[in-house]
Amino acid sequence: SQQGEEDPQALSIQEGENATMNCSYKTSINNLQWYRQNSGRGLVHLILIRSNEREKHSGRLRVTLDTSKKSSSLLITASRAADTASYFCASIWGGSEKLVFGKGTKLTVNP
Amino acid sequence: DGGITQSPKYLFRKEGQNVTLSCEQNLNHDAMYWYRQDPGQGLRLIYYSQIVNDFQKGDIAEGYSVSREKKESFPLTVTSAQKNPTAFYLCASSPRTGGSSSPLHFGNGTRLTVT
Repeated sequence: SQQGEEDPQALSIQEGENATMNCSYKTSINNLQWYRQNSGRGLVHLILIRSNEREKHSGRLRVTLDTSKKSSSLLITASRAADTASYFCASIWGGSEKLVFGKGTKLTVNP
Repeated sequence: DGGITQSPKYLFRKEGQNVTLSCEQNLNHDAMYWYRQDPGQGLRLIYYSQIVNDFQKGDIAEGYSVSREKKESFPLTVTSAQKNPTAFYLCASSPRTGGSSSPLHFGNGTRLTVT
């Protein structure tokens, strides 16, 4: 069962622009993770934000978490063609002990 | 370099045949996972294992089987009972399971095509 839902499903931007992807969920979480997947490859962990954090940075990545709205966003600043990939949010929803992934946002950065 | 190795990268089988996908890790992680990914979809959990000689069903275990005889290895068998086996299969590991604070490390996947 998928509790996380990314929005938009696909996003196409020009190099240098910022890209924002959103993840909405339905039940309480302890923390939320973001992953990246290049075409035909495995996922790579990008960042984890805990439920008591509102914002976290890693290089050109900025993640926010709003537990009152049950949503998180991933911002990639000054995008590059190499950022072209699918991005997934994941967490353990409700009482489950299994990490569940959303369907992802497919980002295309045009040179 | 530490990591997860999945082999082969591409696998072709005839309908009705069982096939085993390999997953090996040298990260000394306790927990290992198998996910299935279909085009345009997220990952769905097939099986996971928290410790050697123990494993649990995920959300879509029917038609699949696993073993965990060694800490480093978690092979997945796709049986002939799996109705739609053609998919991209991803293996992952983490230091421990339970709690979302352990990021997963993924292999590069095996693309299985059954005709």
